[in-house]
Amino acid sequence: DAGVTQSPTHLIKTRGQQVTLRCSPKSGHDTVSWYQQALGQGPQFIFQYYEEEERQRGNFPDRFSGHQFPNYSSELNVNALLLGDSALYLCASTIWRRGEGYTFGSGTRLTVV
Amino acid sequence: AQTVTQSQPEMSVQDAETVTLSCTYDTSENNYYLFWYKQPPSRQMILVIRQEAYKQQNATENRFSVNFQKAAKSFSLKISDSQLGDTAMYFCAFMKPRAYSGAGSYQLTFGKGTKLSVIP
Repeated sequence: DAGVTQSPTHLIKTRGQQVTLRCSPKSGHDTVSWYQQALGQGPQFIFQYYEEEERQRGNFPDRFSGHQFPNYSSELNVNALLLGDSALYLCASTIWRRGEGYTFGSGTRLTVV
Repeated sequence: AQTVTQSQPEMSVQDAETVTLSCTYDTSENNYYLFWYKQPPSRQMILVIRQEAYKQQNATENRFSVNFQKAAKSFSLKISDSQLGDTAMYFCAFMKPRAYSGAGSYQLTFGKGTKLSVIP
């Protein structure tokens, strides 16, 4: 039973560029959330997707956008990258009607230079 | 808005000994979930234990147990018989369940973490 898978594992981008991160939820899960974890900090909630709609959003600018596909997989897009966007981006999935907690992936380490 | 505070940035423990990690939180909600997650160098956030606020009994998972004090808004993690594999960052997290409408449901709020080192 595959857990949450994220790609790529590492990524280096230049300021001003755009990036897309991908996530496949755990089998049977239908809800995906994205978190940003800066070095030495706890994860910060970006947004959450269920039924292909953004359901909740944290305090992140519109440069951060996402999408959920019919197979429940999800993408996180970040436009106009800033140095401060360098972080570990974690994807987590759960079952909407149960909502008892999330299973996390191993994350994508994004470095903006 | 909910806040989660972990007041111990770093802790160490000898293997086979017991250690307790502290967590306090602030919320006006009555029903919610609390979690302890472990993040080893592999980066994956691994669920250690979960507590539902309406359950008075403290959760236990093998060597891991919690002391949940709802009135004090305290949720500490006790690790018994510590092992080298327990070395990791530990995060305390709060979540409102889906039954609640409005902002914040299903959204995890994390503390800043405690770095635990198990010493051989």
